[in-house]
Amino acid sequence: EVQLLESGGDLVQPGGSLRLSCAASGFAFTTYVINWVRQAPGKGLEWVSAISGSGVNTYYADSVRGRFTISRDNSNNTLHLQMNSLRAEDTAVYFCTRPMVRGLGAFDFWGQGTVVTVSS
Amino acid sequence: DIQMTQSPSILSASVGDRVTITCRASQSISTWLAWYQHKPGKAPNLLIYKASYLQSGVPSRFSGRGSGTEFTLTISSLQPDDFATYYCHQYNTYSSGSFGQGTKLEIK
Repeated sequence: EVQLLESGGDLVQPGGSLRLSCAASGFAFTTYVINWVRQAPGKGLEWVSAISGSGVNTYYADSVRGRFTISRDNSNNTLHLQMNSLRAEDTAVYFCTRPMVRGLGAFDFWGQGTVVTVSS
Repeated sequence: DIQMTQSPSILSASVGDRVTITCRASQSISTWLAWYQHKPGKAPNLLIYKASYLQSGVPSRFSGRGSGTEFTLTISSLQPDDFATYYCHQYNTYSSGSFGQGTKLEIK
């Protein structure tokens, strides 16, 4: 059974940092691109970042490029999102997602999300 | 960046109604489009992929059409469990505007 379990969400002050993790199981982790998608309170879904199976290729939304860094530990089937210079507008539920295919694809598996609150 | 625009933002309907949601892409995405149902406090659920393919386990009252820049999601006969927010999602490229802004389907 495919499972994605996010952790690391917390309350942090503006300008602060946070590291999110996503533990994956039930599939060949190293062969899939994994994505982060977020939903701010009262807003829609926003794609945030993606990383290739090898970890060599990374992709970011304009709103987080230069502040967030996505990485993966394939020996432990874990995805990370290092979030620096956090802003109030980064407040959201953060989901890790897996596409149907080994590349760009529709997201058929999602974690339950972890809550990030940026506030003083 | 590719931008996705959904309409309407809010849709009021009754059980048994047929409803259609539209999604437009700012440039051609072929059929690289998915639709999700999202309920509060839960993870989004994939309904349709590649514009018109029904995800396994999704009821047949859901259907998708379109290619290029214009796409639709139709629910043929609304059931009580269908009242939720629906999103389109382009996966032709990685882009900041990959998701539509959502359509909230409300009970009339």
